[in-house]
Amino acid sequence: QSALTQPASVSGSPGQSITISCTGTSSDVGGYNYVSWYQQHPGKAPKLMIYDVSNRPSGVSNRFSGSKSGNTASLTISGLQAEDEADYFCSSYTSSSTPWVFGGGTKLTVL
Amino acid sequence: EVQLVESGGGLVQPGGSLRLSCAASGFTLSSYAISWVRQAPGKGLEWVSAISGSGGNTYYADSVKGRFTISRDNSMNTLYLQMSSLRAEDTAVYYCSKDLTTSSLGYFQHWGQGTLVTVSS
Repeated sequence: QSALTQPASVSGSPGQSITISCTGTSSDVGGYNYVSWYQQHPGKAPKLMIYDVSNRPSGVSNRFSGSKSGNTASLTISGLQAEDEADYFCSSYTSSSTPWVFGGGTKLTVL
Repeated sequence: EVQLVESGGGLVQPGGSLRLSCAASGFTLSSYAISWVRQAPGKGLEWVSAISGSGGNTYYADSVKGRFTISRDNSMNTLYLQMSSLRAEDTAVYYCSKDLTTSSLGYFQHWGQGTLVTVSS
């Protein structure tokens, strides 16, 4: 069982917006602004999409945005495109003895 | 261009040992935190271990603490993960990943292609 909870799947049509949630506790997501999001296409290595809750690395489309409220972080993808179909993982620093944890992942299907 | 190339994976019996390597190019290994992240077949990501840039502090997940050791050879620009007392649940693709900036820790920006470790008799 992953430390951070994500929905197993979400879906949306091209052009729509979707939001993926990532729920933790006050020891991780809620206690620190060290949340990141990763995109992974099948058979490929993950790609960093968001860091520090809401910052995008250079080269990442501004269609991707991040936010946090309490113990839940969210990734929003606007203007969905076919190429966005992938698995998405959240990650957070945690005060536990394992300093970084991932969510279980969410499979995004673009209908 | 940043490149990370893992090697050393393979089939090992339960209780055995294996050393993974991650050859880095395009940046100075000692300036960045580097992590090992693994992914069991069909499963999610699991952070395993990290070594910080300056200072070389090391960090481990509870699931591997006492069994795995992370290290780096700055002269060879290579990162290692020495794995011992391997268990079936250690079976996974192991990725090495370079952090976002020289001052960040836990933001995995550049990734290798991964190397598969299979623990089975």
